[in-house]
Amino acid sequence: NAGVTQTPKFRVLKTGQSMTLLCAQDMNHEYMYWYRQDPGMGLRLIHYSVGEGTTAKGEVPDGYNVSRLKKQNFLLGLESAAPSQTSVYFCASRDSDGPYNEQFFGPGTRLTVL
Amino acid sequence: EDQVTQSPEALRLQEGESSSLNCSYTVSGLRGLFWYRQDPGKGPEFLFTLYSAGEEKEKERLKATLTKKESFLHITAPKPEDSATYLCAVQAAGANSKLTFGKGITLSVRP
Repeated sequence: NAGVTQTPKFRVLKTGQSMTLLCAQDMNHEYMYWYRQDPGMGLRLIHYSVGEGTTAKGEVPDGYNVSRLKKQNFLLGLESAAPSQTSVYFCASRDSDGPYNEQFFGPGTRLTVL
Repeated sequence: EDQVTQSPEALRLQEGESSSLNCSYTVSGLRGLFWYRQDPGKGPEFLFTLYSAGEEKEKERLKATLTKKESFLHITAPKPEDSATYLCAVQAAGANSKLTFGKGITLSVRP
């Protein structure tokens, strides 16, 4: 099992460019999440999904869009990147039910917007 | 609004010097409190989940405890490989398993 994987690992964008971050999980998890992590801010939820075809806004959704067309994949899009979106992005997934409901995290994508 | 405060922000210990990390929280109906470990350049790694006040869990040199207002992560006789950032998060009832994270505590253990 690869667990949660993220593509790419690093990316540099210019202001106004667009890109898509891909998250994939092979654990058949229902729930998937996108977070951003900034120095001194902790992890903040951007968007999440409770199942294939569903998405919902988290704490800091502005400037981002998401799609969950397949259960195993959760895509995060930046339509017009801004320097304020420079951050480390983490994807996580979780089983829907069960006694242990921890989230499993991917290795992260470090994004710099110039 | 759910809130999680971790203290201290950073902690430096000598190898073998036991200590505790604090996580204070306010949440509307606690469903679970989570501890994660994060190494530099990596994603958070799950350590423990605590569900109710009085609960304790242990793993090697780590022991997590929970009260109605805070959780402690006790580190007994730490080793340099315990150096990492430790994250605390809470999940509220009915929150679709969304987690609210604290800012983390960076632990450094000197040999």
